[in-house]
Amino acid sequence: QKEVEQNSGPLSVPEGAIASLNCTYSDRGSQSFFWYRQYSGKSPELIMSIYSNGDKEDGRFTAQLNKASQYVSLLIRDSQPSDSATYLCAVKTGGFKTIFGAGTRLFVKA
Amino acid sequence: DTEVTQTPKHLVMGMTNKKSLKCEQHMGHRAMYWYKQKAKKPPELMFVYSYEKLSINESVPSRFSPECPNSSLLNLHLHALQPEDSALYLCASSQDPRRHYEQYFGPGTRLTVT
Repeated sequence: QKEVEQNSGPLSVPEGAIASLNCTYSDRGSQSFFWYRQYSGKSPELIMSIYSNGDKEDGRFTAQLNKASQYVSLLIRDSQPSDSATYLCAVKTGGFKTIFGAGTRLFVKA
Repeated sequence: DTEVTQTPKHLVMGMTNKKSLKCEQHMGHRAMYWYKQKAKKPPELMFVYSYEKLSINESVPSRFSPECPNSSLLNLHLHALQPEDSALYLCASSQDPRRHYEQYFGPGTRLTVT
């Protein structure tokens, strides 16, 4: 079982819709959860971090964490073509490492 | 300011060359990281420096040699690389490696080994 799993996609949504990206992780001791956005040929850009169960909202982005289910998600409201990118879920456990999922490719159609 | 800088942006080197990648941050972060990323794959951890000491080496071949001269700088020395080492090399930093802070990435160095 992979430590951090994401659906590779591509996930295609129309402009203005809600995009829902999901991630599961295997280590129950994980404490910190991050979402990065990566455009093709560019480096990952941090868009959200979440540490406790529940929802965290920042603009059009909402991160959701459920530690009991070992599940973290990212919702993007009012999706724009500029949101088209690969979204990486990252999980930090007790050590120095942050484990990245393989990423979900999102396409927002104008 | 969450800026991590990397130089050069692009590097082409032959298999017998020696080159270095540089990374710098002025955020007072005490953890710095090197990642390697191949196309359509997630970043793959190579090294972690915690308070200027090497804390993690993910069984990286010795042709990659990291160095942390001070808390703001991180280098990656390259020697006798193979074509399969061609990738995007990413530097990242975080506030304290022992706690659960975010990592911030630099723009990366696109390395091509010929």
